Amino acid sequence: GENVEQHPSTLSVQEGDSAVIKCTYSDSASNYFPWYKQELGKRPQLIIDIRSNVGEKKDQRIAVTLNKTAKHFSLHITETQPEDSAVYFCAARSQGNLIFGKGTKLSVKP
Amino acid sequence: SQTIHQWPATLVQPVGSPLSLECTVEGTSNPNLYWYRQAAGRGLQLLFYSVGIGQISSEVPQNLSASRPQDRQFILSSKKLLLSDSGFYLCAWSVGRRVTEAFFGQGTRLTVV
Repeated sequence: GENVEQHPSTLSVQEGDSAVIKCTYSDSASNYFPWYKQELGKRPQLIIDIRSNVGEKKDQRIAVTLNKTAKHFSLHITETQPEDSAVYFCAARSQGNLIFGKGTKLSVKP
Repeated sequence: SQTIHQWPATLVQPVGSPLSLECTVEGTSNPNLYWYRQAAGRGLQLLFYSVGIGQISSEVPQNLSASRPQDRQFILSSKKLLLSDSGFYLCAWSVGRRVTEAFFGQGTRLTVV
């Protein structure tokens, strides 16, 4: 089955700096790669996603890149703000299931 | 619009007691349904997923079971809880055969004492 690895597990940046979180997946049949943000005690919520026919997608300060050949995808957050502090999860979907990485705890220091 | 209901929000159960968590989805038909567990400070572990009534796939061997008695109902159960079953349980759904995002319920904080 699919296996998703996510790095780093924790990330601390200064407000205004950029943050990058990387994930790799194992199943070449995976075709959908969402990123979720989970604030403390709340449910994960989708922030951006990318499909396998696209190499890059951007939404304001958030961007995701996908390298199908290398089977890795990354989340980029620019001009970070304190409210970006949360746990971020990458995921990969193949067929019916959705497999998540272990998460990255991002702390943005003012 | 589609909504997902998960209950209860919090639960404290003694070791050895049974468990039943329920999740229902409204506003869609034939959804994929998922149960995830999130242990303290850890990631989202997929426990079960279902692509249709009575169709359950288990990702990890464990003390838990799942059932889907109706199209939009997904139940997580245990006959005898263990301390290690404590965690944050999340139900989620996605559109059946399309590649789309998954939507999560509010979650159930289970503490086994």
